[in-house]
Amino acid sequence: NAGVTQTPKFQVLKTGQSMTLQCAQDMNHEYMSWYRQDPGMGLRLIHYSVGAGITDQGEVPNGYNVSRSTTEDFPLRLLSAAPSQTSVYFCASSKAGTTGELFFGEGSRLTVL
Amino acid sequence: AQSVSQHNHHVILSEAASLELGCNYSYGGTVNLFWYVQYPGQHLQLLLKYFSGDPLVKGIKGFEAEFIKSKFSFNLRKPSVQWSDTAEYFCAVTRISSGSARQLTFGSGTQLTVLP
Repeated sequence: NAGVTQTPKFQVLKTGQSMTLQCAQDMNHEYMSWYRQDPGMGLRLIHYSVGAGITDQGEVPNGYNVSRSTTEDFPLRLLSAAPSQTSVYFCASSKAGTTGELFFGEGSRLTVL
Repeated sequence: AQSVSQHNHHVILSEAASLELGCNYSYGGTVNLFWYVQYPGQHLQLLLKYFSGDPLVKGIKGFEAEFIKSKFSFNLRKPSVQWSDTAEYFCAVTRISSGSARQLTFGSGTQLTVLP
């Protein structure tokens, strides 16, 4: 059982480049989300989706796009990378309902030069 | 806006010492409360959770947490830590309202280092 899979695990970009962080889950979870983790700031919600075709902004959405064409996949796109987007990115998913229990991927460490 | 505060940024203990990590949240309504742990180089894993009922909840690996509603707190405890408990610990809260139940707000984390 793979759970939540993120690729790539590491990436280095130059300022202005674009890229996509991939996230896939095989648990048939309706809810998926992206967080960024920065030292001393915990995890902050970027975007989330409550089902295929439905996405919404979280706390820090600027500079990021998402789409949810299938239940399994929830890619995060950086449109024009900036050094402030250097971070560790986590994808998470959960079942429908109100439990809030999230299952996390292993993270993607992004460095923007 | 809802916030979660973890006042201890780095805690260093010797093996067998007792642990208590503080967590306070600002939202006054009904909440779900969580503690997640992140071992070095790994992803976050759920340690324990509180939804309702007995305010003292027990999680994996001997951890427990107590919800004190009057203090808006959900402190994590363990009677005797082990070297393998070295990790970063995150408190998280969700509000029980439409559309936000799965949007966790995380604290800034507490790095626990256990010396052998």
